[in-house]
Amino acid sequence: EAGVAQSPRYKIIEKRQSVAFWCNPISGHATLYWYQQILGQGPKLLIQFQNNGVVDDSQLPKDRFSAERLKGVDSTLKIQPAKLEDSAVYLCASTQGATYEQYFGPGTRLTVT
Amino acid sequence: EDQVTQSPEALRLQEGESSSLNCSYTVSGLRGLFWYRQDPGKGPEFLFTLYSAGEEKEKERLKATLTKKESFLHITAPKPEDSATYLCAVTHGGATNKLIFGTGTLLAVQP
Repeated sequence: EAGVAQSPRYKIIEKRQSVAFWCNPISGHATLYWYQQILGQGPKLLIQFQNNGVVDDSQLPKDRFSAERLKGVDSTLKIQPAKLEDSAVYLCASTQGATYEQYFGPGTRLTVT
Repeated sequence: EDQVTQSPEALRLQEGESSSLNCSYTVSGLRGLFWYRQDPGKGPEFLFTLYSAGEEKEKERLKATLTKKESFLHITAPKPEDSATYLCAVTHGGATNKLIFGTGTLLAVQP
């Protein structure tokens, strides 16, 4: 079974530029999550989708971050404009049905200079 | 406020030297406690889910236990390949079963 796929793996941008990350969850997983992991910290949830609807985006900085999940499969997370403090690893995870175990992709490491 | 605290922050062991990692939590209505392993440059890898106090789960050299206030990850006779960051997370379920993570324990096992 293929795991969660993410791209790109690495991205370096200057502050005030825009960036987008892509995630393809495990086949059949209805719930998709985006987490932000700052160096030395645990992952922090940004947004949760159930199929293509948003369940929780309470910690998403909506003035600069946006996310969508068209057709309930792939998802993109966008930052516009980026700030220095956005430097982090952005992790995508998915889960199936009523189980709580979340399976993570390899992440995208973003460096904002 | 839901909170997860892991200790120690870092642990260095000799190969074969058993030890335990601690995860203490404060959460309203715990639905599950999770242990993940994270290698450098990779996403967290799922290890265990514990649902109720007294529950235990094992996988190779790892054993996870749960009480009403904390969880322990016991590592028996560790090998260098066990070196990684171990993350603990909790969820209180509901409409959003988001995971609330601790900051992790960085484990280094020296040959």
